[in-house]
Amino acid sequence: KAGVTQTPRYLIKTRGQQVTLSCSPISGHRSVSWYQQTPGQGLQFLFEYFSETQRNKGNFPGRFSGRQFSNSRSEMNVSTLELGDSALYLCASSLAWTGQGETQYFGPGTRLLVL
Amino acid sequence: AQKVTQAQTEISVVEKEDVTLDCVYETRDTTYYLFWYKQPPSGELVFLIRRNSFDEQNEISGRYSWNFQKSTSSFNFTITASQVVDSAVYFCALSEDYNAGNMLTFGGGTRLMVKP
Repeated sequence: KAGVTQTPRYLIKTRGQQVTLSCSPISGHRSVSWYQQTPGQGLQFLFEYFSETQRNKGNFPGRFSGRQFSNSRSEMNVSTLELGDSALYLCASSLAWTGQGETQYFGPGTRLLVL
Repeated sequence: AQKVTQAQTEISVVEKEDVTLDCVYETRDTTYYLFWYKQPPSGELVFLIRRNSFDEQNEISGRYSWNFQKSTSSFNFTITASQVVDSAVYFCALSEDYNAGNMLTFGGGTRLMVKP
C-alpha cells in the first residue's frame, strides 16, 4: 500500500507570496492532519480534516488555511508568506476521526524556504 | 494543557551500547494515547508504537522496548544493542481524548547518534 505523498517536496518563495501544498493520504484513510516543523518551535499541529470538514485547528494565524476534498486529498495554503514560515510541512493520515488517538502516518514533507 | 518533555536533546553512543530515551508527559485526561516516532535525516516521521493510558504493560519489539509508568507520567524508549542505522531524531507524542481528535502534541525530540 502506498504511503502518504506530498507535493512538492521542495519550494522556494519570496515574502508576500502565497503557497499551496498538497497531500494524498494512504488509500482508505479519511483523516488528514498538517504539522509545521521548525528548529525553534519543533513540531506544531496546524489543523486536521475529516470528511471535508476542519475538525481541529492549532494556534496559527489565519494566513494558514486548508481544505479536504471528497477523495480525502488535502491542501494547505499559506498566504502573505513571512520569513518565519520557512519550515518542513508534514502531512499525516489516519483511518478516521474517532477521538481515540488513531495512529497517524506521515508523509515525507514539503520543505518551504521563504526568502 | 497537555505537554510532552524530552529532556535529552542529544545522545551519543557507540554501536552495541544500550540507550534509553526519556519521555515525560502532562495531561489532565484519564484517557490518552502515547506515541513514539523516528525521524531519519530524510525527514519523514516513522511510526514506532502507540500505547493507550489503560495499558501499562511494557512492550518489546526486537531491539526496541518501551516502559510506560503512569505513576511517574513517563513513557521511556530503550534501544538494545544500538546500531548505526538507529541514528535519527526520536519524538515522543501525546494524543488526548475525543475533543482533540487525532492531534498530536510532540516533545522536542532527542537526537541519537550511534557511532561505529
